[in-house]
Amino acid sequence: GQQVMQIPQYQHVQEGEDFTTYCNSSTTLSNIQWYKQRPGGHPVFLIQLVKSGEVKKQKRLTFQFGEAKKNSSLHITATQTTDVGTYFCAGGYSGSARQLTFGSGTQLTVLP
Amino acid sequence: EAQVTQNPRYLITVTGKKLTVTCSQNMNHEYMSWYRQDPGLGLRQIYYSMNVEVTDKGDVPEGYKVSRKEKRNFPLILESPSPNQTSLYFCASRGGTGRSPLHFGNGTRLTVT
Repeated sequence: GQQVMQIPQYQHVQEGEDFTTYCNSSTTLSNIQWYKQRPGGHPVFLIQLVKSGEVKKQKRLTFQFGEAKKNSSLHITATQTTDVGTYFCAGGYSGSARQLTFGSGTQLTVLP
Repeated sequence: EAQVTQNPRYLITVTGKKLTVTCSQNMNHEYMSWYRQDPGLGLRQIYYSMNVEVTDKGDVPEGYKVSRKEKRNFPLILESPSPNQTSLYFCASRGGTGRSPLHFGNGTRLTVT
């Protein structure tokens, strides 16, 4: 079946350091979405990428979609304690009624 | 306020005792879905519904039932819960196309002893 692999599973960083999480699919994606889940909370939509090679920015967050539309990354510059949480990617596949397959998530801890 | 409402937030039950987790959305969304979240496994889809009276299995449907009699409601039913169904459950909905973002409920933490 369709799978989206996400690494790393956990990441601890000092406040001010950068952070990156990666997602990879064995088959071509039609789109990829990113969600953030704060501790004790529910996933909240951050952004969607659709085009090959697309790059989008939200303040300190940079999202990339690979040229082959099989991988994506989320990079946070100069992390802050408010960035703490679990980041999920969710890949969409053409022709799939379910639309989205979630990665296993990366749990980010930011040490003050 | 646009939202997805799940109840209850916490539930402790015993093996074999039927239970229902309710989910309701007020955004007139056609698509609704149930996920379970377990450490290291991310969000796995249990069942989804594309519209009223249309439901289909996700990745981990065993031991669960759903119904979609009305557009706004999508209850998750565990006919005979077992300890391996102890998990955090999320209901989600979306409108528009398959590329529209999912809106999640606050979650239900279920413990089956």
